[in-house]
Amino acid sequence: DTAVSQTPKYLVTQMGNDKSIKCEQNLGHDTMYWYKQDSKKFLKIMFSYNNKELIINETVPNRFSPKSPDKAHLNLHINSLELGDSAVYFCASSLGLPSDEQFFGPGTRLTVL
Amino acid sequence: SQKIEQNSEALNIQEGKTATLTCNYTNYSPAYLQWYRQDPGRGPVFLLLIRENEKEKRKERLKVTFDTTLKQSLFHITASQPADSATYLCALGGYSSASKIIFGSGTRLSIRP
Repeated sequence: DTAVSQTPKYLVTQMGNDKSIKCEQNLGHDTMYWYKQDSKKFLKIMFSYNNKELIINETVPNRFSPKSPDKAHLNLHINSLELGDSAVYFCASSLGLPSDEQFFGPGTRLTVL
Repeated sequence: SQKIEQNSEALNIQEGKTATLTCNYTNYSPAYLQWYRQDPGRGPVFLLLIRENEKEKRKERLKVTFDTTLKQSLFHITASQPADSATYLCALGGYSSASKIIFGSGTRLSIRP
């Protein structure tokens, strides 16, 4: 029983392409997040959704568009991929507030060539 | 700008000793601080949360302190074991749903037998 799952685990693509990463949680949580972890291991929040509503939208290029069809799913679509987008992207969920324990997915390693 | 610093890139400890990791922050007054463990190729796993009005929290072999005057948290693992080897991340945040959580870059801990 995977609590927070992401697909795909690895994504290798060419610059300029559009790609999506999917995330699902079966914990019944209200809040979901997308984080980016760069090569220096800094984990930075990109977006958070609470009950399908966008709560946090960090200074992320508008090439990144999150979509939450329901509170158990939060997908990330990236347009016109650039070399600098290469990183590991983590989805997470929490009961409600960010101060609640966050459960992270296994991550998606994106490599842009 | 808000900044979190965690002590040195790597910490090597003899098995059985106490490992002490440091998290310092500036330009921020967090409502809480969390510690996470991250193993290679995996998402972070929540360990402990300590609130601004708490000085110390314990969980099994783990102990966390929070000094809002020094703007510092210490994370201790007593009777360390090789299985404790991992990267440990501290994270700070506020209580509102719109408060973003900020992560440090982590400290890699190695416990040698």
